[in-house]
Amino acid sequence: SAVISQKPSRDICQRGTSLTIQCQVDSQVTMMFWYRQQPGQSLTLIATANQGSEATYESGFVIDKFPISRPNLTFSTLTVSNMSPEDSSIYLCSVESGRGYTFGSGTRLTVV
Amino acid sequence: GQQLNQSPQSMFIQEGEDVSMNCTSSSIFNTWLWYKQDPGEGPVLLIALYKAGELTSNGRLTAQFGITRKDSFLNISASIPSDVGIYFCAGTGTASKLTFGTGTRLQVTL
Repeated sequence: SAVISQKPSRDICQRGTSLTIQCQVDSQVTMMFWYRQQPGQSLTLIATANQGSEATYESGFVIDKFPISRPNLTFSTLTVSNMSPEDSSIYLCSVESGRGYTFGSGTRLTVV
Repeated sequence: GQQLNQSPQSMFIQEGEDVSMNCTSSSIFNTWLWYKQDPGEGPVLLIALYKAGELTSNGRLTAQFGITRKDSFLNISASIPSDVGIYFCAGTGTASKLTFGTGTRLQVTL
């Protein structure tokens, strides 16, 4: 299965600023997925990133708040913009590989 | 949208006991997956199920894809301390994107 490197692993940010999270995969994949996991909660899909086209966002998530880049088949970034304390969560990227979906280790974001 | 209800929400068991958890959905899923998440890590795939009625084992873990395609269960036999963590069911419907269950937090006491 694919190996995903995600960084940063954690960050503490001031409200009003933005943070860009990077996700690198060791193989070429068509779709990359970004999830949010709020404290003590399950994972919620933010958007699906395809190379060469705009990301597809799920209900409740918008491009202005969570812009995504997908410059090639092995890399994607998610930016959390104009952050507020409510954005404090774990953000994870994922790819479909083998018999399931593989996840990065996540970025734990705390907004103060 | 699709929702997965997972139960129990949490479990406190003694080492050596068997564990059972399940997931139900109001709609049909084509794939059921079971993940375990440790603190500070992303979810790790335990078992993948692709056919209604499929029963699959992975060591002490056994999972089944319900005949109705609206449910799945995961059993852990003879639990050990390293089984501690949060277990999530997840499924895909007509689109290739995962919907996650609400999670089962497992605590194992010696």
